[in-house]
Amino acid sequence: TQLLEQSPQFLSIQEGENLTVYCNSSSVFSSLQWYRQEPGEGPVLLVTVVTGGEVKKLKRLTFQFGDARKDSSLHITAAQPGDTGLYLCAGARYAGGTSYGKLTFGQGTILTVHP
Amino acid sequence: DAGVIQSPRHEVTEMGQEVTLRCKPISGHDYLFWYRQTMMRGLELLIYFNNNVPIDDSGMPEDRFSAKMPNASFSTLKIQPSEPRDSAVYFCASSRTGAYQPQHFGDGTRLSIL
Repeated sequence: TQLLEQSPQFLSIQEGENLTVYCNSSSVFSSLQWYRQEPGEGPVLLVTVVTGGEVKKLKRLTFQFGDARKDSSLHITAAQPGDTGLYLCAGARYAGGTSYGKLTFGQGTILTVHP
Repeated sequence: DAGVIQSPRHEVTEMGQEVTLRCKPISGHDYLFWYRQTMMRGLELLIYFNNNVPIDDSGMPEDRFSAKMPNASFSTLKIQPSEPRDSAVYFCASSRTGAYQPQHFGDGTRLSIL
C-alpha cells in the first residue's frame, strides 16, 4: 500500500524556472523528511519538518509541512542543472519504542533541469 | 566518519544462484534498514533491525529472502535461490535512535539476475 503520493512523477524544466513538488497522504505523520538521490548513489537527507504549518528554507529550496501534517511540498526557486535528481519524501509515525526510525517513502519525483 | 558501506556495488548472476549482499552501518547507529529500489515500485523497506534484532520483516517478499545482523557493525541480505524479478538496486541505511533522526544510506548494490 502506497501511503505517500508524490506529484509530479517527472519534471523537465529549463534553468532559472521555479517548480513545486507535492507529497500527499490521507494519514497523519509525526514528521516528514525530504531526500535527494543522484544516479549511482543512495538518498541523502535535505530536511526534516515536524510541526504542522512549518516552513523551512535551504538556500533556494523551501519546504512546507501541511497544517494537518498529512502533506508537504518542496519549492525550488531559479532551478539550476545541479538540482537534477530524484526527490523523495518520507513520512514517519512515532509510537515509541522500536517504531522509531521507520520511514514510508513516496514514489519520488525525477527532476531534470536543462541548461 | 565513514558512511554506510555496501558490497558488492554490482552483482550479476544467473537465476537460481545464491546472492549475498553486505552492509556495514555507521558506528554508533543502532537501527539498520534494508531497502529495494525499482522503477516500478520505488523504494521499498524490506526489513529493519534495532540493536541487531529484527523488528519488522513484513516487507521481505518471500522465503527466498533472509537477513541477519550478527553484530552491530555487519549485516547481510541473502537471496536463495535468486530469480530475474529480484533484479533491483538494494540499499542499506542506518540511523540513531530517536524521533526525527535521518537515515544514512549506502551507495547500494545493483543486482542483475539473468
